[in-house]
Amino acid sequence: GAVVSQHPSWVICKSGTSVKIECRSLDFQATTMFWYRQFPKQSLMLMATSNEGSKATYEQGVEKDKFLINHASLTLSTLTVTSAHPEDSSFYICSASAKKLFFGSGTQLSVL
Amino acid sequence: SQKIEQNSEALNIQEGKTATLTCNYTNYSPAYLQWYRQDPGRGPVFLLLIRENEKEKRKERLKVTFDTTLKQSLFHITASQPADSATYLCALDRGSTLGRLYFGRGTQLTVWP
Repeated sequence: GAVVSQHPSWVICKSGTSVKIECRSLDFQATTMFWYRQFPKQSLMLMATSNEGSKATYEQGVEKDKFLINHASLTLSTLTVTSAHPEDSSFYICSASAKKLFFGSGTQLSVL
Repeated sequence: SQKIEQNSEALNIQEGKTATLTCNYTNYSPAYLQWYRQDPGRGPVFLLLIRENEKEKRKERLKVTFDTTLKQSLFHITASQPADSATYLCALDRGSTLGRLYFGRGTQLTVWP
């Protein structure tokens, strides 16, 4: 089946720094990818839809200047958390569609 | 606003029994509903999708029902095994694009020997 690879699986950073998370579709092309965030014991919340070759579409309440999304190729989307703060600590998960939705393994971000 | 409730945060059953998980939703009429399995520290894995015009769907030991009048879906795992222990998520489409979903908080299923 289709595979979505996400990297890194976990990252610890200092407050104020930026962190980049990569999401790759390994054996299929994904014109659209999706970024979700999940806090402990909470549901996955859609942050944005990443579109290859165009601007991402952000959900209400998600700051586009805080969470920069780049989808430069059909197999790679990146999410950059800029000037991260402790409240940004969360589990970030990407997904891509190939007839059905495949999720990456997630990135646990801890901001100190 | 859209609200999804999964009946309980945790469900514990004995191996061999049937696990039944419930997903209720309000303020929405989804075109389809999906169930996912999520293990700790991992991304969700797709299990089943059922459309609004379908009443029931099966896949091996899994069965999903969808009642659009009650706004409810039931997810059954028959002959449960300890390996079925995980968190199960209900998700509704947000319209248009396949990957834009509303998720419930999930039900953590534990199957004990």
